[in-house]
Amino acid sequence: QKEVEQDPGPLSVPEGAIVSLNCTYSNSAFQYFMWYRQYSRKGPELLMYTYSSGNKEDGRFTAQVDKSSKYISLFIRDSQPSDSATYLCAMTVSGGSYIPTFGRGTSLIVHP
Amino acid sequence: EPEVTQTPSHQVTQMGQEVILRCVPISNHLYFYWYRQILGQKVEFLVSFYNNEISEKSEIFDDQFSVERPDGSNFTLKIRSTKLEDSAMYFCASSDGGTSVGYTFGSGTRLTVV
Repeated sequence: QKEVEQDPGPLSVPEGAIVSLNCTYSNSAFQYFMWYRQYSRKGPELLMYTYSSGNKEDGRFTAQVDKSSKYISLFIRDSQPSDSATYLCAMTVSGGSYIPTFGRGTSLIVHP
Repeated sequence: EPEVTQTPSHQVTQMGQEVILRCVPISNHLYFYWYRQILGQKVEFLVSFYNNEISEKSEIFDDQFSVERPDGSNFTLKIRSTKLEDSAMYFCASSDGGTSVGYTFGSGTRLTVV
């Protein structure tokens, strides 16, 4: 079983839709959960992160972590064409080197 | 906003040749990293570097790879004898602390081995 699983998509939605992006993981020691956005031909850019369980909101973006189910989500409200990108989840254990394990990324297309 | 700068953006090399990928991390950052992303696959950790030495490396980072911080600003990744399977995007990243939440990635170097 892979440590971090993420559906590669593509996920195509109309402008204004609510987008739900998800990852599952197998390592119960993961404590930091991150979402990166990657535009074509660019490096990943950290969107937001959470520590342990719970929700975190930043503008149109909400990150959720359910440690009991080993499941994390990123919700994008009022999606815009500029949100079209690949979204990578990443996670790491607390303590130690903090080297994150990435998911494959989900390609999101928001069409006008 | 401070950036991590990588050069070149695209490098084509023949199998067996040596390549050096260059990075200029953010100036006040102390931790430096190289990652690789093969087309369509996940971002993979190669190596981390702190205080002028490797602090951690993955199984991918074998004897064909080396890193160096030759001066106060550059951070390089050398592949001694490239193989076809080394073709990938290589990303440099830096952070001001040991936790990954502070990573800033560069735009990457696309390495094509022919």
